[in-house]
Amino acid sequence: DAGITQSPRHKVTETGTPVTLRCHQTENHRYMYWYRQDPGHGLRLIHYSYGVKDTDKGEVSDGYSVSRSKTEDFLLTLESATSSQTSVYFCAISELAAYNEQFFGPGTRLTVL
Amino acid sequence: QKEVEQNSGPLSVPEGAIASLNCTYSDRGSQSFFWYRQYSGKSPELIMSIYSNGDKEDGRFTAQLNKASQYVSLLIRDSQPSDSATYLCAVNMFSTASKLTFGTGTRLQVTL
Repeated sequence: DAGITQSPRHKVTETGTPVTLRCHQTENHRYMYWYRQDPGHGLRLIHYSYGVKDTDKGEVSDGYSVSRSKTEDFLLTLESATSSQTSVYFCAISELAAYNEQFFGPGTRLTVL
Repeated sequence: QKEVEQNSGPLSVPEGAIASLNCTYSDRGSQSFFWYRQYSGKSPELIMSIYSNGDKEDGRFTAQLNKASQYVSLLIRDSQPSDSATYLCAVNMFSTASKLTFGTGTRLQVTL
């Protein structure tokens, strides 16, 4: 998985609780991305980062926030989890925006009850 | 109109045959195109990248790009049961630089 780890790999939580997912890379790539994958919708971008402390929204950012204080770590926070946020979350990294080959982490399966 | 479209399948091909997977995209200024393979319960794995018109071959895989017609395809020669997976097309659109837009994927089944 190109030196990308995600934690936790599985999580079950209750509606209304905050949840933080972590993505850690050892490739020193500049760009990092958070996606969610749901049946019928494919991969959808939540947020991405183009450098330390530089982040931007994707197409499904409502209810999510991110932070990147170090090149290697990109955190995704669900402020108050809802059942609609039950999904598989993938982190991806990319070195160059121009070509944007992205490499994915192993994923986190999140269930919100 | 979806920005990146793929037939969801399943596409069923016999072992040893050629599998042909197609993808169309809406942004005429798109520059980079990718094929990912995703096994059930696993993360997407990049298998091909293509940036200019024509064919690009890598082993049993050939990616084909036609920017004028706005489509990209993936051919898998000598299909094996291990090729059974969902194949995702991804496009780096000019309008959304540094982000990829994914199709919903085509499920391929290679039968014995």
